[in-house]
Amino acid sequence: EVQLVESGGGLVQPGGSLRLSCAASGFTFSKYWMSWVRQTPGKGLEWVANIKEDGSQKYHLDSVKGRFTISRDNTKNSLYLQMNSLRADDTAVYYCATHSGWSHSYWGQGTLVTVSS
Amino acid sequence: QSALTQPASVSGSPGQSITISCTGTSSDVGGHDHVAWYQQHPGKAPKLMIYEVSDRPSGVSTRFSGSKSGNTASLTISGLQAEDEADYFCNSYTSSFAFVFGSGTKVTVL
Repeated sequence: EVQLVESGGGLVQPGGSLRLSCAASGFTFSKYWMSWVRQTPGKGLEWVANIKEDGSQKYHLDSVKGRFTISRDNTKNSLYLQMNSLRADDTAVYYCATHSGWSHSYWGQGTLVTVSS
Repeated sequence: QSALTQPASVSGSPGQSITISCTGTSSDVGGHDHVAWYQQHPGKAPKLMIYEVSDRPSGVSTRFSGSKSGNTASLTISGLQAEDEADYFCNSYTSSFAFVFGSGTKVTVL
């Protein structure tokens, strides 16, 4: 059974940093592209970043470029999102998800990030 | 990249069919067949229901079907059931390995 478990969310002040993690199991992690997707009540779902199987290609949403960095460690079956210079509008539930072709086939339960003073 | 446009809500009675639209541009929905649909129940993670415009993952009911015409994709739920009450989001590949989601549609079973 595919399992994706996010962690690392919490309350952080504007300008602060957080590192999200996603622990994967039940599939061959190193053979799949992975994504981070966030969700807010006001803006719905928003793709944030994705990364190729071997980590050699990474793509980020324009509004997070230079602030967020996606990475992975295939030896630990883990996906990461380093978030710096956080802003109030980054407040959301952050999901990690697997890619199957051009869709997001499996999702974790999400971790809540709240940016507030 | 602006969100794809979906109706805020759609409703139907049990057994009826409903269709949810998802309108984008020639740069996303209209530019290729990489359109997907997700179902999300309150407090739960999204679940893939349709990919590549009209393909269903294993285990998804045949009551769910997808199509596309020009810049608009559609999700049809036939034989509406109480368990179909949820939020539905469309999603399209854009370019340079980026994706855009729809604004979401709340489906209510009357």
